[in-house]
Amino acid sequence: DAGVTQSPTHLIKTRGQHVTLRCSPISGHKSVSWYQQVLGQGPQFIFQYYEKEERGRGNFPDRFSARQFPNYSSELNVNALLLGDSALYLCASRRLRPGSNEQFFGPGTRLTVL
Amino acid sequence: QKEVEQDPGPLSVPEGAIVSLNCTYSNSAFQYFMWYRQYSRKGPELLMYTYSSGNKEDGRFTAQVDKSSKYISLFIRDSQPSDSATYLCAMRPYKSGTYKYIFGTGTRLKVLA
Repeated sequence: DAGVTQSPTHLIKTRGQHVTLRCSPISGHKSVSWYQQVLGQGPQFIFQYYEKEERGRGNFPDRFSARQFPNYSSELNVNALLLGDSALYLCASRRLRPGSNEQFFGPGTRLTVL
Repeated sequence: QKEVEQDPGPLSVPEGAIVSLNCTYSNSAFQYFMWYRQYSRKGPELLMYTYSSGNKEDGRFTAQVDKSSKYISLFIRDSQPSDSATYLCAMRPYKSGTYKYIFGTGTRLKVLA
């Protein structure tokens, strides 16, 4: 089975621009979460979606938004990019069944804001 | 004070050594604990998952949770150079509908051949 996939792999943007990152979960996983990982730090929770509804939001500004599609894939959108948004953006999927709490990550999208 | 504390390292050990990696936490509600391995510029790879207290073993890896001390550990036996990576602990409370995991900053491990 394929793991979590993310696109693009790398992205370079300038301040003020907008970016869309994409994620496809593991087959059968209905929950997708987004994390931001700044160099040298652990991942920080941004959003969680399940069945196309937002189920959790971290301490990120409204410039960050996301959505989940009927096929459970997801997009993360960031508006008005700042230099501090440069990071590895990780998508994780979970099956969400009783007794199944493992969370699996994709390879990430490395965003550089100039 | 951060909810999850993890020594960033780097931790250097010779090949074949037993490695001990640790995290402490402050939120007594945490019930689910995971360890991830992350190679440079890659996504985290799930190594171990533990619910509540106790030990769990998988091959060369053993995870321990001591909820009374708010302390979790990952032991790696017979360490190999390929184990050189950053190890992240992650945890969350038991609360239906809340799946926000809190991560440590990661410990960088170097296993020397």
